[in-house]
Amino acid sequence: EAGVVQSPRYKIIEKKQPVAFWCNPISGHNTLYWYLQNLGQGPELLIRYENEEAVDDSQLPKDRFSAERLKGVDSTLKIQPAELGDSAVYLCASSLRPGQGAHNEQFFGPGTRLTVL
Amino acid sequence: DAKTTQPPSMDCAEGRAANLPCNHSTISGNEYVYWYRQIHSQGPQYIIHGLKNNETNEMASLIITEDRKSSTLILPHATLRDTAVYYCIVGENFGNEKLTFGTGTRLTIIP
Repeated sequence: EAGVVQSPRYKIIEKKQPVAFWCNPISGHNTLYWYLQNLGQGPELLIRYENEEAVDDSQLPKDRFSAERLKGVDSTLKIQPAELGDSAVYLCASSLRPGQGAHNEQFFGPGTRLTVL
Repeated sequence: DAKTTQPPSMDCAEGRAANLPCNHSTISGNEYVYWYRQIHSQGPQYIIHGLKNNETNEMASLIITEDRKSSTLILPHATLRDTAVYYCIVGENFGNEKLTFGTGTRLTIIP
């Protein structure tokens, strides 16, 4: 079974440029998460989707970050414009809908490493 | 607010048992203890979870103290591939809740 797929794996851009990350979750997983991981730190949640609905976006910096999950499957995270401080790894994870399993572990993709110059 | 406290780093000899401690003194009655690990350049990976009883699976064992204020993750026969950052996380339910990671313990397996 394929895991969570993310692309690109690496991205280098200049500040003020836009950038987008793509995530394809595990088939059948209704819940999708985007996390931000700074160097030496644990991942931090940016946004969580239940199907198409963003149910927790409280940590998403909405002035420059946006996300969508059309049709409740793939998702895209965008930054426009990027700043130097956005350099980090962006992780996508997915899990079953609550209630489908006793404990719905989250399955993570490999992440996209963003470098803003 | 950090819910868990872990040592920043540990070493373990290959083939020996690796014992990773975690303090969660403010854990509430309905909160579980979860362990994830993150190998270099990969996303975190679920290892094991428990509520109050000790748990074992093919990857590891989880020992939770009777007062539930601390726990230990045990990798019984550590290999070089177990070198990773290990995160201890406390929470009520996962799948509809975010995972609040700390900085974890960087475990290095020594040949």
